[in-house]
Order: sequence, then C-alpha cells, then structure tokens
Amino acid sequence: GDSVTQMEGPVTLSEEACLTINCTYTATGYPSLFWYVQYPGEGLQLLLKATKADDKGSNKGFEATYRKETTSFHLEKGSVQVSDSAVYFCALSDNNQGGKLIFGQGTELSVKP
Amino acid sequence: AAGVIQSPRHLIKEKRETATLKCYPIPRHDTVYWYQQGPGQDPQFLISFYEKMQSDKGSIPDRFSAQQFSDYHSELNMSSLELGDSALYFCASSRGERGRDSPLHFGNGTRLTVT
Repeated sequence: GDSVTQMEGPVTLSEEACLTINCTYTATGYPSLFWYVQYPGEGLQLLLKATKADDKGSNKGFEATYRKETTSFHLEKGSVQVSDSAVYFCALSDNNQGGKLIFGQGTELSVKP
Repeated sequence: AAGVIQSPRHLIKEKRETATLKCYPIPRHDTVYWYQQGPGQDPQFLISFYEKMQSDKGSIPDRFSAQQFSDYHSELNMSSLELGDSALYFCASSRGERGRDSPLHFGNGTRLTVT
C-alpha cells in the first residue's frame, strides 16, 4: 500500500542554519503531498502542499518540490529560527482513496539560539 | 477563522470504561476524519465520514464506533478501554470527499489516558 518515509530525528540545528528534511513516498496513483507541523501540545497544522509533479509548495520560508522521478518531497528552509522547533510530518493523500492522509513517522527539529 | 473544535481536551478513564470524543468541523466542511497518535508515533487513520455516511475505514478497533450527525459534528465512541488506547486523538475536517483541493484541517486533539 501507499507509504511515506522520512529521515529520522531528532535534528538539532543552530539558528540561521539551513534545513533539509528528506521525505520519499510510495503510491500506486497520483497523490497529493503535504508537510504538516506539530508544535508541542498542539494539533497538526498544514505547512505546505503540492498536488502534481514539479509543483513547489512554499510557506513561512519553507519549500518543498514534488519530484515524481525520485518520488520525493524534501522540506527545505534556508535559515531556521528557534520558533521553527517542532515535529514535521510528511504526508500523502491518494485522491482515489477518499482523501485520507498517510503520514510519515515525523521528524523532530530542535533549533538552538 | 474558525477551526476544528474537539472536546474534551483531556480525558482520564479506567480500563474497561467507555469514552466519547466529540469533533466540530469547520463551518461548511462536510468530511470528518479521525486519527490516533500514540506517544512518539505518527497519526494513524481510524475512520472518516462524508455527508454523514462512513466513507473510509482504517485501523479502528471493533470496540470503537463513530458517526457523523446532521450538523456534521462527529463523535468517536470507545468501549472496553485498554491501556493501549492511551493516545492523542485528532479530528480533521475538509470540504468535499477528495482531499486534493481541500486539505485536512486538524483540531488540537483529545488526550486520552487509560489507567
């Protein structure tokens, strides 16, 4: 079945460092891809999305490009802030299966001042 | 903007008791999803409803049931609770049966602790 694999955490960076969190997927159809962020004690918030190959999602300085040839959707940010510390989930939605999300295992990011 | 509302935020139950979790979707959203997130785990899909009918079913135990009401709110009923049911339960809502153009919006979750 469909699945999402993320790089393991935790990832610890200094403020203003570059961030890349790898995400690859397996899907039989043509999924939409998402990054969700979860701050401590809170729910999941949609960070960005891409619905077709070569689409680039971006929000709050984060970017991810839907790469069909490598089945990847890596999350990147050029300069992280302490406030970016959270758990990041890559997810896919197979649009032939009612829109439910399948999540990766999550990557914890800790940004130090 | 209005968000997905879940109640209660925290719930403590004993083994073999029952629990009911409630979810109020964003206005005009007609699809509701339930997820279970164990400690340090990724959210696992339980069940979804579209226009008050069950639309998909995931890894929901037979001890659990859910429904969506005429006002589109949903309730997750959990019986014969086990220690392993301790988790964060998320509800999400969207508009329409497909997620392509209406991403899921999540509530803050209900933290269930079974003792």
